Parts: sequence; C-alpha cells; structure tokens
Amino acid sequence: NAGVTQTPKFQVLKTGQSMTLQCAQDMNHNSMYWYRQDPGMGLRLIYYSASEGTTDKGEVPNGYNVSRLNKREFSLRLESAAPSQTSVYFCASSDPSAGALNIQYFGAGTRLSVL
Amino acid sequence: SQQGEEDPQALSIQEGENATMNCSYKTSINNLQWYRQNSGRGLVHLILIRSNEREKHSGRLRVTLDTSKKSSSLLITASRAADTASYFCATDGNDYKLSFGAGTTVTVRA
Repeated sequence: NAGVTQTPKFQVLKTGQSMTLQCAQDMNHNSMYWYRQDPGMGLRLIYYSASEGTTDKGEVPNGYNVSRLNKREFSLRLESAAPSQTSVYFCASSDPSAGALNIQYFGAGTRLSVL
Repeated sequence: SQQGEEDPQALSIQEGENATMNCSYKTSINNLQWYRQNSGRGLVHLILIRSNEREKHSGRLRVTLDTSKKSSSLLITASRAADTASYFCATDGNDYKLSFGAGTTVTVRA
C-alpha cells in the first residue's frame, strides 16, 4: 500500500538553482495538491489539480509551477529557488467526487533547504 | 489566508487524561476535518464532521461542530503516549480545497 509517494525526501539547493519535486499516487484519485508547511503554521496550498488536465493556483503560488503529468503524477517545480522557499513540501490526493468528501491522503514530505 | 484557527497552540497532559482542542473558522463550510501529524511525517485524516452534524465519535475521538459559532472541538479521551502529535483542523468549502489551521501540538507525558 504505497498511497502517496514523494521524492526526494530531502534536498539542499543554492539560491537560483532549479528543481522538481515529484509526487505519485496509486489510489486512482482525481485531485492532487501541493502544500508547504512552515514552522508554527499550518499547511498553505501552493497549487492543486482538481482533475487530470487541470491545474489552479492556491494561496501561495508565486515562484512555483506545476505539471499534472497524468492521473497518477503531479510535479512541483521551483525555477529559481530562493531562501524563502525553504520549507517542508507535502503532496496530497483525494477523490472529492466520492460522496463529495474531500478527505486527503498525504505523502511523507520533502524537506527543502535553500541556502 | 488560513480559514481555521486552533486553540490552544500547545497542550501538555498526563497519560490517561483527556485532551481538548478547539478550532474556529470564518466562512461557511461543507464539512470540517481533523488531521494528525506525527513528528517528521505527513498528515493523517482522523475524522470528518458534516455541516449538518453536531457531534461525531470515532474510538477515543469526539468531535463537535457549532456552525452558528463557526467552531469545532476535538476531544481525545484517555490519552496515550502515542497520541503525542500535532492536530490540525481543516475546513472544506466544497471547492476542491481544504483550508488548514496552524495546529495544536499535544504532548502526552508518561
């Protein structure tokens, strides 16, 4: 039972470098999400994909891009990393059409440091 | 901005005691959910309460919802060391998005 798998688990970048965070789910969910979690704060939504082929901005999209590659995979790209993007990133998936309940399943997170 | 606000920010209790945490929110909701996060891990869904429900139980968890006051509470009875975690409320406005609060950190002392 893999659920939601995120790679990598840890990453250190220098300011200005780029990278892509990968996320895959095996629950056949339609919706996928990227959040960031900073100390003392809850999760803030970066981008989401309500269904395959669609993506929408969340609360804090600046500095990020996403790709919904197929139903299983949803990637998050940092084009030019900044220290303010140091955070823990979580991917989640759900199937809101299942009784209209948006219960989300989370990956283990990617801990990113930008120096 | 975040919809939910949890209170207290941190809670320390003795094993066997009950833990109560509260969540307030601002706009109308379809349902409200509670999640647990163990240190260094992802969030795990605990319980969901719909907007037309007032109380719900699941094992040692009891959730209440007061839509007139826009507030919810989570009670964990007979706490155990394994309940040490952060707990988050999340509101669902039926727009494919959840809005999370900042969380309550619960420490259960042996």
